[in-house]
Amino acid sequence: GQNIDQPTEMTATEGAIVQINCTYQTSGFNGLFWYQQHAGEAPTFLSYNVLDGLEEKGRFSSFLSRSKGYSYLLLKELQMKDSASYLCAVRDSNYQLIWGAGTKLIIKP
Amino acid sequence: GAVVSQHPSRVICKSGTSVKIECRSLDFQATTMFWYRQFPKQSLMLMATSNEGSKATYEQGVEKDKFLINHASLTLSTLTVTSAHPEDSSFYICSVPWGSGDAGELFFGEGSRLTVL
Repeated sequence: GQNIDQPTEMTATEGAIVQINCTYQTSGFNGLFWYQQHAGEAPTFLSYNVLDGLEEKGRFSSFLSRSKGYSYLLLKELQMKDSASYLCAVRDSNYQLIWGAGTKLIIKP
Repeated sequence: GAVVSQHPSRVICKSGTSVKIECRSLDFQATTMFWYRQFPKQSLMLMATSNEGSKATYEQGVEKDKFLINHASLTLSTLTVTSAHPEDSSFYICSVPWGSGDAGELFFGEGSRLTVL
């Protein structure tokens, strides 16, 4: 079967750095996405990786290793507004998106 | 970028009634829209792919007669939950693929929280 694994919940301090990991096992690979979802709201796009390496976008960076089936989302200079769930999703060989259950990130002052 | 509008954002209904949720693509025409359902603390679950001018494609286990999807125009798709029951209470979200090539991301509507009493 196909599955995406990411931690259920993480806690970090305002101003610090946090890394949210995602491992995947899918039928083929056509890209990995990270989305942010605040409670009660729809997800919003953060990043896309299809080649190995690091993609940086402001305070957020996303890393991919296809050989290891692994990605992480790195959030720097954490702000209270970053408290949200972070969803990892992989597009398989049929171009279907397989979603992780999300990691709830709690930011403490 | 693309803007997707979903309505209503919240609806409460009695068991046995039907509820219609609208999803509009405001900035561009969408031949395809996706409908997801999300239960608390769970992942997004794809229910169906809405195709303009043709029948929707439903995922395994999703009852097409219960969740009616209509994609009559390039900017509007509707999901009707027929004869709703309490177990249908969930967060329903539509999304539209945006961009060309492999990096096409999804833009999501605001979501509709359905509560069936």
